Amino acid sequence: GENVEQHPSTLSVQEGDSAVIKCTYSDSASNYFPWYKQELGKRPQLIIDIRSNVGEKKDQRIAVTLNKTAKHFSLHITETQPEDSAVYFCAAITRAQKLVFGQGTRLTINP
Amino acid sequence: DAGVIQSPRHEVTEMGQEVTLRCKPISGHNSLFWYRQTMMRGLELLIYFNNNVPIDDSGMPEDRFSAKMPNASFSTLKIQPSEPRDSAVYFCASKLSGANVLTFGAGSRLTVL
Repeated sequence: GENVEQHPSTLSVQEGDSAVIKCTYSDSASNYFPWYKQELGKRPQLIIDIRSNVGEKKDQRIAVTLNKTAKHFSLHITETQPEDSAVYFCAAITRAQKLVFGQGTRLTINP
Repeated sequence: DAGVIQSPRHEVTEMGQEVTLRCKPISGHNSLFWYRQTMMRGLELLIYFNNNVPIDDSGMPEDRFSAKMPNASFSTLKIQPSEPRDSAVYFCASKLSGANVLTFGAGSRLTVL
């Protein structure tokens, strides 16, 4: 079936360190992989995405890598800041054009 | 554009009552999605529409849930009768069917007592 697994469920890092969140997907036809950030009480908001014809994409302190062969993709946040604290969701679009989300990672940045 | 508009933002109701959640997608977007978010189950896709037609409702938990999209600018998600386990935040999201970027509304927080 269509499934996205996300790890870890919680992550705590010191301010200034890097954070990495990993996801795997099951639908080999998936070709679009967005990452959403959700702050407490707010809606999920797109922060970065990657398409299957690209292996890596970077936007300032955040980057996403994709390994299509292994069907996994990762979010990397460098030089973390307190405002990076939030829940992060990965997702994959299926061949049926559904966006399926991972379970989320609660990231806490310790000052 | 005002984005995806949802109402009500908060609803508290008693078990057995009917609940109707509303959504107005971004103008021009022709795909609309309803998600439910809970701590235990994360973001679950309930149903989605393309050009007002329901495409996949396999995520709708049971017959108490129904969704409609009578026109391109309005959709409803109805729960009848509601139960305490339906308590969650319900998000509506929209996009262009040929594009990938999904935009979420602010959500409707439902509490069933």
